[in-house]
Amino acid sequence: DAKTTQPTSMDCAEGRAANLPCNHSTISGNEYVYWYRQIHSQGPQYIIHGLKNNETNEMASLIITEDRKSSTLILPHATLRDTAVYYCIVRAGFNTGTASKLTFGTGTRLQVTL
Amino acid sequence: DAGVIQSPRHEVTEMGQEVTLRCKPISGHNSLFWYRQTMMRGLELLIYFNNNVPIDDSGMPEDRFSAKMPNASFSTLKIQPSEPRDSAVYFCASTRAIRSEEQFFGPGTRLTVL
Repeated sequence: DAKTTQPTSMDCAEGRAANLPCNHSTISGNEYVYWYRQIHSQGPQYIIHGLKNNETNEMASLIITEDRKSSTLILPHATLRDTAVYYCIVRAGFNTGTASKLTFGTGTRLQVTL
Repeated sequence: DAGVIQSPRHEVTEMGQEVTLRCKPISGHNSLFWYRQTMMRGLELLIYFNNNVPIDDSGMPEDRFSAKMPNASFSTLKIQPSEPRDSAVYFCASTRAIRSEEQFFGPGTRLTVL
């Protein structure tokens, strides 16, 4: 799986958009970009994933550059409950019937403040 | 849906004792993963199963660690004998092995070996 690079930490004011960048310059054609987060003392939680196109769900938006070498996770209106470590993970797609593992890096510690 | 269930949530034991951690995956999921998280090493994959068969155990630190999945609804991670350096939070995750399906994590077991 390709390696990812994320800033160690970021701050965001409550109510504002949080934009978390991730570089994955060695990503290959069949690799997806996944985002998970881990709130203190809890298990990681899936947020969103994408291959080429931008994606949006009820939690966040994922913007992937055209060359796929970087992406940005956007939390449109951050709240205090969004304070967590956010992990960007690149993972190969797999054929039906065989799961593939996630390799977690150190992530970005997002602190949302009043 | 109850989510991934892990037991116990906390375990304190003495060095040399056997420790067994348990996991019940989400019903219908056919892949199961065991992770370990420490401050020093972050979140690392130990082993994962597909349809109850171990696929990759390269992350298991040494022979003191063993994992089994006797059926689709239950898995154990055993440490025998335990050592203080095994102190960590152990997470179990499950997924359906279908293309890019996300992993769902349990709440974790916090293990302290004295």
